[in-house]
Amino acid sequence: GAGVSQSPSNKVTEKGKDVELRCDPISGHTALYWYRQSLGQGLEFLIYFQGNSAPDKSGLPSDRFSAERTGGSVSTLTIQRTQQEDSAVYLCASSLNLRYEQYFGPGTRLTVT
Amino acid sequence: AQKVTQAQTEISVVEKEDVTLDCVYETRDTTYYLFWYKQPPSGELVFLIRRNSFDEQNEISGRYSWNFQKSTSSFNFTITASQVVDSAVYFCALSVGGANSKLTFGKGITLSVRP
Repeated sequence: GAGVSQSPSNKVTEKGKDVELRCDPISGHTALYWYRQSLGQGLEFLIYFQGNSAPDKSGLPSDRFSAERTGGSVSTLTIQRTQQEDSAVYLCASSLNLRYEQYFGPGTRLTVT
Repeated sequence: AQKVTQAQTEISVVEKEDVTLDCVYETRDTTYYLFWYKQPPSGELVFLIRRNSFDEQNEISGRYSWNFQKSTSSFNFTITASQVVDSAVYFCALSVGGANSKLTFGKGITLSVRP
């Protein structure tokens, strides 16, 4: 079946602009995660949604970052007033409830100029 | 806090050699899960294996094998008879607590297999 999809695949934005990154999880997966991959920091957890529970936002680096998940499916990660240090690949993953493997999407490469 | 250490950063081997990728983890939780992911040059992370803290049985899948030792907090990954297609970055990861917990990743090991 279809895997996790993310859009756009690449995004170039100017410093100070807001950006929205989208994730479509695998159908039927109730858990959805956002991670960030950068050369300096490696792979970092950002936020996690599980069903109707309150999201785990413990990895968000600042209040400029937020995410929502509508209807238990699609998720949008929003970065406000982007900074150059936000440049990274943003990865989305999903997993079935009661299972532990996370399946990753291809990522969105964000470049802040 | 949890931590995953992959001390090897880059490994280069010639095709058909065996190679072992090391992973050492730290956690105070008694229930945890360990994972290996592969990131080929295309960029997408590919799930390879999951192991829970109560199952120390080693696993073999084709040319891949995993050695989990709680006594040394290690979860090492061996590729037998490596192939060029094995060239990728390999990440070890840890999750603790309940279902679907967030992953803590190691820094990754870049494996290059030369023909």
